[in-house]
Amino acid sequence: QKEVEQNSGPLSVPEGAIASLNCTYSDRGSQSFFWYRQYSGKSPELIMFIYSNGDKEDGRFTAQLNKASQYVSLLIRDSQPSDSATYLCAALIKAAGNKLTFGGGTRVLVKP
Amino acid sequence: GAVVSQHPSRVICKSGTSVKIECRSLDFQATTMFWYRQFPKQSLMLMATSNEGSKATYEQGVEKDKFLINHASLTLSTLTVTSAHPEDSSFYICSAPLAGGPWDEQFFGPGTRLTVL
Repeated sequence: QKEVEQNSGPLSVPEGAIASLNCTYSDRGSQSFFWYRQYSGKSPELIMFIYSNGDKEDGRFTAQLNKASQYVSLLIRDSQPSDSATYLCAALIKAAGNKLTFGGGTRVLVKP
Repeated sequence: GAVVSQHPSRVICKSGTSVKIECRSLDFQATTMFWYRQFPKQSLMLMATSNEGSKATYEQGVEKDKFLINHASLTLSTLTVTSAHPEDSSFYICSAPLAGGPWDEQFFGPGTRLTVL
């Protein structure tokens, strides 16, 4: 079992719709969670982080964390073609030396 | 935000040669840096943790003698791929955490595309 799991997709959404991405993790020692966006051939860029249960909103993005169920999600509202990318979920365990463990990524395609 | 640079951005080499990749934190100090490898259509896999002033910590399955890591200063870590082979062709990315707060955000370099012929 992978430590951080994501549906590989592709997740196809029409422009203007909401894209919903999910991520589950196995290590309960995970403390913080990160969503990165990665365009083809580029390195990841941070979209959001979350470490408390509940929702966190930043512009068109909302991250949700449920530690009891060990899942993290990301909602992208008003999806734009420029949001087409691979979204990586990552978990950090400070006790493990601040190492990030990445999920396999979900490819999102926003169709005009 | 903090900036991490990598050099070179792209390198093509012949099989059997060694390639050095540099990772620099430009406006902050990093006692730790991380090296990742990413094969096409796969996620980032942590290779090793580079520690300033001490030996690097390698992840299981990563050959220490093949991937030499040196953390020469608080702003520079280098990864040397020794005796490179075509299967080492990959996208190598470094990151450096900016300490502070309940979490340490990692800033990623732009990556180095290595092609071994």
